[in-house]
Amino acid sequence: DSGVTQTPKHLITATGQRVTLRCSPRSGDLSVYWYQQSLDQGLQFLIQYYNGEERAKGNILERFSAQQFPDLHSELNLSSLELGDSALYFCASSVDGPFGAYGYTFGSGTRLTVV
Amino acid sequence: AQTVTQSQPEMSVQEAETVTLSCTYDTSESNYYLFWYKQPPSRQMILVIRQEAYKQQNATENRFSVNFQKAAKSFSLKISDSQLGDTAMYFCAFETSGSRLTFGEGTQLTVNP
Repeated sequence: DSGVTQTPKHLITATGQRVTLRCSPRSGDLSVYWYQQSLDQGLQFLIQYYNGEERAKGNILERFSAQQFPDLHSELNLSSLELGDSALYFCASSVDGPFGAYGYTFGSGTRLTVV
Repeated sequence: AQTVTQSQPEMSVQEAETVTLSCTYDTSESNYYLFWYKQPPSRQMILVIRQEAYKQQNATENRFSVNFQKAAKSFSLKISDSQLGDTAMYFCAFETSGSRLTFGEGTQLTVNP
């Protein structure tokens, strides 16, 4: 157990639908990162939140959005789902400090299948 | 743009032998951090080793060590005394002040008995 909790572990939904993925960071970590891992594009950075505020944005589609709540858990919302959104979605957290200093701790991921 | 290249999609090694995974990167930043992550069949991403770019000494974690060549922008991972449990996808990654963790395409390592 890495200390980063992601729910649900698996999700199957139809095209056009909306889903919410949830992440609880490791105790004490203020930063939360979302990554998408698909077969043809590897691991892609989506977005980072730090203590409730958006800090960095990567290749995140406009149909996707995220937020971090006061208790530091984060949610990734995916809407108007397409077949190509099928992927493994990872959440990671890190200790407050200089960038990269400590690496990220990853959750076990949410496997999203769009049918 | 920051890029990370792993030129070996697949590698295999016999148990107890040594294997080296290659990684090159491209950045104009002078300060950055480099990492190797392991993703076993469980799909969990596990941090194996990290290297600070301003430190010349190569990082070592038990059987895992790196060969960091800053001028060549090369960051290879050496696994000594390979074990069956080392079978996994290995990702090289780095982070700079202007970007979050950027991953390479991965190298699938298989340790054979």
